[in-house]
Amino acid sequence: EDQVTQSPEALRLQEGESSSLNCSYTVSGLRGLFWYRQDPGKGPEFLFTLYSAGEEKEKERLKATLTKKESFLHITAPKPEDSATYLCAVQVYSGTYKYIFGTGTRLKVLA
Amino acid sequence: NAGVTQTPKFRVLKTGQSMTLLCAQDMNHEYMYWYRQDPGMGLRLIHYSVGEGTTAKGEVPDGYNVSRLKKQNFLLGLESAAPSQTSVYFCASSTTTGQKEQPFGPGTRLTVL
Repeated sequence: EDQVTQSPEALRLQEGESSSLNCSYTVSGLRGLFWYRQDPGKGPEFLFTLYSAGEEKEKERLKATLTKKESFLHITAPKPEDSATYLCAVQVYSGTYKYIFGTGTRLKVLA
Repeated sequence: NAGVTQTPKFRVLKTGQSMTLLCAQDMNHEYMYWYRQDPGMGLRLIHYSVGEGTTAKGEVPDGYNVSRLKKQNFLLGLESAAPSQTSVYFCASSTTTGQKEQPFGPGTRLTVL
């Protein structure tokens, strides 16, 4: 069964304290892995897409990496405005494209 | 571009009432999706459509119906609402190749009493 697991469920960091969020997956027919940011009361906002093992993408303080079994979202020197829930989703293809989401990591960055 | 829009933003229903959620996109995307998001459960796919006039069941389709009469619109219907359908509903769309991100709407918060 296709499955996506994110860890930790919640993370509290001091401002400037770097860390990583994990997204592990077991799926067949992986076409891509997506990272989203979700603020309270809003829809998910796209951050990155990764397509192959070894690929890396960066945006400001965020860097996403991908291996054959998992992806990491590295947050360098986070600021309070980085506080949000970060969602991981894998895109699979079995006749049509579908997205399987993890349950997310709630990040709180303290000033 | 407005992207993906959803109406209404909030709704309270009584058990047994019916309602329709509207999703609209202006990106000419072929694929459209309806998800529900519940605490600790993540986003779960209810129904999806791969083009105008087509619909298909997702992971949790029971109690919902959908229609895609126009390419830009995807409607989600609840014929007889139940408290278990209290959730936040998100609509999303994507291209046929699926090679780009899946933009989401702002969500509809539904409470069934």
